[in-house]
Amino acid sequence: GESVGLHLPTLSVQEGDNSIINCAYSNSASDYFIWYKQESGKGPQFIIDIRSNMDKRQGQRVTVLLNKTVKHLSLQIAATQPGDSAVYFCAERRYNTDKLIFGTGTRLQVFP
Amino acid sequence: DTEVTQTPKHLVMGMTNKKSLKCEQHMGHRAMYWYKQKAKKPPELMFVYSYEKLSINESVPSRFSPECPNSSLLNLHLHALQPEDSALYLCASSQDPGTGNTIYFGEGSWLTVV
Repeated sequence: GESVGLHLPTLSVQEGDNSIINCAYSNSASDYFIWYKQESGKGPQFIIDIRSNMDKRQGQRVTVLLNKTVKHLSLQIAATQPGDSAVYFCAERRYNTDKLIFGTGTRLQVFP
Repeated sequence: DTEVTQTPKHLVMGMTNKKSLKCEQHMGHRAMYWYKQKAKKPPELMFVYSYEKLSINESVPSRFSPECPNSSLLNLHLHALQPEDSALYLCASSQDPGTGNTIYFGEGSWLTVV
């Protein structure tokens, strides 16, 4: 079946360090990927997206890397801050469909 | 502005009640979605509306009935729910159906069935 999975359920980092959250996907037909941040009691918040014709995309303090060869997606957060503490979901969407499939999520904990 | 507004924020209902969740967006988006999220789990797709027509129903029980009165509004009518239906219900929207546009989520409606 189709699945989008994450390697680590919880990631703990020290404030100021860089964070890397990983995600594996199994559907090679997927060509659009999104990272969401979900804080406690809130809805998922869009962080960054990437299409399959790209390997890397940068935003403000965040970078998404896509390795289609091994079907791997990662989110890098530079200079992690306490406000980055949340659950991060990767999501996969097949082009020309309206289905967004979420991974299981990684909880990021930032310590002072 | 990427705002999707959901009401109510919290809802407690009995198993014999009829209630509705409401969702509104004024971004001109033509695709709208309902997701269900249980605690510590990822959101799961329930329904998709494309151009005000139901395009995807992920085998959701009939006690959940979606409705799209116009391009800005999306409702989820609830009737005869079970305690296991208690969850966070998320509404989302995207610009054009089927084109891989970003999906934006609302803050959700917390539903408790007693």
